[in-house]
Amino acid sequence: DAGVTQSPTHLIKTRGQQVTLRCSPISGHKSVSWYQQVLGQGPQFIFQYYEKEERGRGNFPDRFSARQFPNYSSELNVNALLLGDSALYLCASRRDWSTNEKLFFGSGTQLSVL
Amino acid sequence: DAKTTQPNSMESNEEEPVHLPCNHSTISGTDYIHWYRQLPSQGPEYVIHGLTSNVNNRMASLAIAEDRKSSTLILHRATLRDAAVYYCITLLFQGAQKLVFGQGTRLTINP
Repeated sequence: DAGVTQSPTHLIKTRGQQVTLRCSPISGHKSVSWYQQVLGQGPQFIFQYYEKEERGRGNFPDRFSARQFPNYSSELNVNALLLGDSALYLCASRRDWSTNEKLFFGSGTQLSVL
Repeated sequence: DAKTTQPNSMESNEEEPVHLPCNHSTISGTDYIHWYRQLPSQGPEYVIHGLTSNVNNRMASLAIAEDRKSSTLILHRATLRDAAVYYCITLLFQGAQKLVFGQGTRLTINP
């Protein structure tokens, strides 16, 4: 079975541009979360979606937005990119709502903002 | 979610057991203890989790102190593929999926 897939794997943008990152969860998983990992630090929670509804939001500015589609795939959008947005963006999926369900992470999208 | 404290780095030898400690002195009675690890150039990977009792799976064992203020992840026989950053996370059982990662412990395995 395919794991969590993210696209693209690498991306280079310039300041002020907008970017869209994509995530396909494991088949049968209805919940998707997004994390940002800056070099040398642990991942930081951005968003959580379950059954197409936002269920949680981390401490990120409104420039960050996301959505989940009927097939449970998800997109993360970042507007007006800043140099500090350069990071690895990770998507994770889970079958349902319970915290005893482990999260499955993709390999991430490496975003570089120049 | 309770704050966790882990050593920044640890080193061990191949085929020897490894004990990775984690302090979570502010943990509440309903917080679960989760461990994830992140291999180079990959996303985090679930290792194990528990509440009060010690837990075992094919990857590792989790030993939880009686007062639950600390826990230890045990890799029984380390291999070079176990070299990774290990994160200890406490998670309130209320449906939220937000994992709060700290700095983690960077584990180096010597051949």
